[in-house]
Amino acid sequence: GESVGLHLPTLSVQEGDNSIINCAYSNSASDYFIWYKQESGKGPQFIIDIRSNMDKRQGQRVTVLLNKTVKHLSLQIAATQPGDSAVYFCAENRGGNTPLVFGKGTRLSVIA
Amino acid sequence: DAGVIQSPRHEVTEMGQEVTLRCKPISGHNSLFWYRQTMMRGLELLIYFNNNVPIDDSGMPEDRFSAKMPNASFSTLKIQPSEPRDSAVYFCASSLTGYNEQFFGPGTRLTVL
Repeated sequence: GESVGLHLPTLSVQEGDNSIINCAYSNSASDYFIWYKQESGKGPQFIIDIRSNMDKRQGQRVTVLLNKTVKHLSLQIAATQPGDSAVYFCAENRGGNTPLVFGKGTRLSVIA
Repeated sequence: DAGVIQSPRHEVTEMGQEVTLRCKPISGHNSLFWYRQTMMRGLELLIYFNNNVPIDDSGMPEDRFSAKMPNASFSTLKIQPSEPRDSAVYFCASSLTGYNEQFFGPGTRLTVL
């Protein structure tokens, strides 16, 4: 039979523009969130994290926004560069002594 | 800090053979995780250890898969016998505690012919 691969949402962005990658979570008890970046042929790498007592956190060129009301997390990348091309995963800790749960990922493609 | 170390980086084997993947976590980390990543299913948690003890192995696909952590600095994931559908990239990750940021290794790309 025909095999079907996992369909990753894809975001195509012009170099220099800002990127926004979204993630929805379902567990209201989740209290810690991380964004990971996975480049081709490499393991996921930590970008930025946020705890549930915050709604915004900024890093270098990246900002994470957390909206607990609608259970939504976003990653904003300013002045997107070709090196930002990768798959981005959000991960959540659902409270207590449980490991992170990873989302399916979003592929960011930067057009030079 | 060398980060999480995995070996081998690539493994090609024939169906029916035993495969052993190795992982050295970051020194001082108490939790270790094994993941499998495929195009079909994305990133799947197979098993995780806390203080060398397996906590949750519900992600292990079947009895052909086994994992051990004999000490704080070494873990293995074994597949016996291997099948073509086991072809994937296997990642090991470690963290200070079971619920904190995980640091991933470079992965082992397994191809079973």
